[in-house]
Amino acid sequence: EPEVTQTPSHQVTQMGQEVILRCVPISNHLYFYWYRQILGQKVEFLVSFYNNEISEKSEIFDDQFSVERPDGSNFTLKIRSTKLEDSAMYFCASSQKIAIGEQFFGPGTRLTVL
Amino acid sequence: EDQVTQSPEALRLQEGESSSLNCSYTVSGLRGLFWYRQDPGKGPEFLFTLYSAGEEKEKERLKATLTKKESFLHITAPKPEDSATYLCAVSEFQGAQKLVFGQGTRLTINP
Repeated sequence: EPEVTQTPSHQVTQMGQEVILRCVPISNHLYFYWYRQILGQKVEFLVSFYNNEISEKSEIFDDQFSVERPDGSNFTLKIRSTKLEDSAMYFCASSQKIAIGEQFFGPGTRLTVL
Repeated sequence: EDQVTQSPEALRLQEGESSSLNCSYTVSGLRGLFWYRQDPGKGPEFLFTLYSAGEEKEKERLKATLTKKESFLHITAPKPEDSATYLCAVSEFQGAQKLVFGQGTRLTINP
């Protein structure tokens, strides 16, 4: 069964460093998303991406964040200068059609900022 | 602002003891209500989508129902492997593609 994959599973970085989180969405899906979940809190929307551009972003997704689909399979989230409060699980998700709406999530990348 | 509230926060049941989880939502125009299962340290696993009041979906021991203000996830004769956090999320019609999640209900089924 097709699934969303994410790498790495765990990333440890120093405050102020840049990190890139990688995702391979399900192959025939057109809509891509990033969410995050701080330990013990709700899953929060960060950004949605369609047709090679951002279609919606949350207040969390400030200038320190960027997304890119560098080729036909990968979807990346970059955090330019990490802060302690960026420590969280980051989930990539994809969906086939916006009207149906089911989003399928990857296993997540645990980001720890020291 | 969209709001999703789930209750209870945590629920412990004996194996075979049926119960229901609640998800109350406030949204201006509901595109869909989604139920996910999340195991510790893992990503949310899709269970159901409900689109309109009165709709029901079933999968094994789980049944999801929807009214205009809330959704229920009914668990019939649960087994220990049903232990997980169950998340409810909504999406809105007005251009928004994001899912707004509730806090989740942490379900534990004791053998």
